Amino acid sequence: EPEVTQTPSHQVTQMGQEVILRCVPISNHLYFYWYRQILGQKVEFLVSFYNNEISEKSEIFDDQFSVERPDGSNFTLKIRSTKLEDSAMYFCASSDGAGGGTDTQYFGPGTRLTVL
Amino acid sequence: AQSVTQLGSHVSVSEGALVLLRCNYSSSVPPYLFWYVQYPNQGLQLLLKYTSAATLVKGINGFEAEFKKSETSFHLTKPSAHMSDAAEYFCAVRSGTSYGKLTFGQGTILTVHP
Repeated sequence: EPEVTQTPSHQVTQMGQEVILRCVPISNHLYFYWYRQILGQKVEFLVSFYNNEISEKSEIFDDQFSVERPDGSNFTLKIRSTKLEDSAMYFCASSDGAGGGTDTQYFGPGTRLTVL
Repeated sequence: AQSVTQLGSHVSVSEGALVLLRCNYSSSVPPYLFWYVQYPNQGLQLLLKYTSAATLVKGINGFEAEFKKSETSFHLTKPSAHMSDAAEYFCAVRSGTSYGKLTFGQGTILTVHP
């Protein structure tokens, strides 16, 4: 069964460094998402991406964040200058857009980002 | 604005007992509702979703949920818990734009005792 994959599974970085989190969505999917979960808190929406542009973003997704689909398979989240509060589990998700409002988002296993 | 509240961050049941995980939503438009499960070191997996076709929704692994508009609830149940059901469960709502963001509850960790 097709699945969303994410690399790395765990990333440790120093405050102020740039990180890129990578995701490979399911191959025929058209909509892509990033969510994050700070330890002990809710899963929060960051951004959605469709047709090579951001379709929606949350207040969390400020100028330090960017997303890109550099080729036909990868979907990346870049944090330009990491802060301690960016430490979280980051989930990538994708959907095929076929079901309208009940469209299912398929999630990857997550990347745990630790900022020291 | 939409929101989800899951009552109980931890639920513990005995194997074979009824599982009931509570979810209440708030939405200004008819909602689309989802339950996801997360097993250790894995991503979020869809259990079931409310499509407005039927108020009682059956999902994978014997779980089901009933949409009650009057109570703004979408509680998840399973008649008989298995040890393999131990995981974290998330209720989520989507309203408004199709293909839009999911808004999650805080999650409920289900523990199953032998």
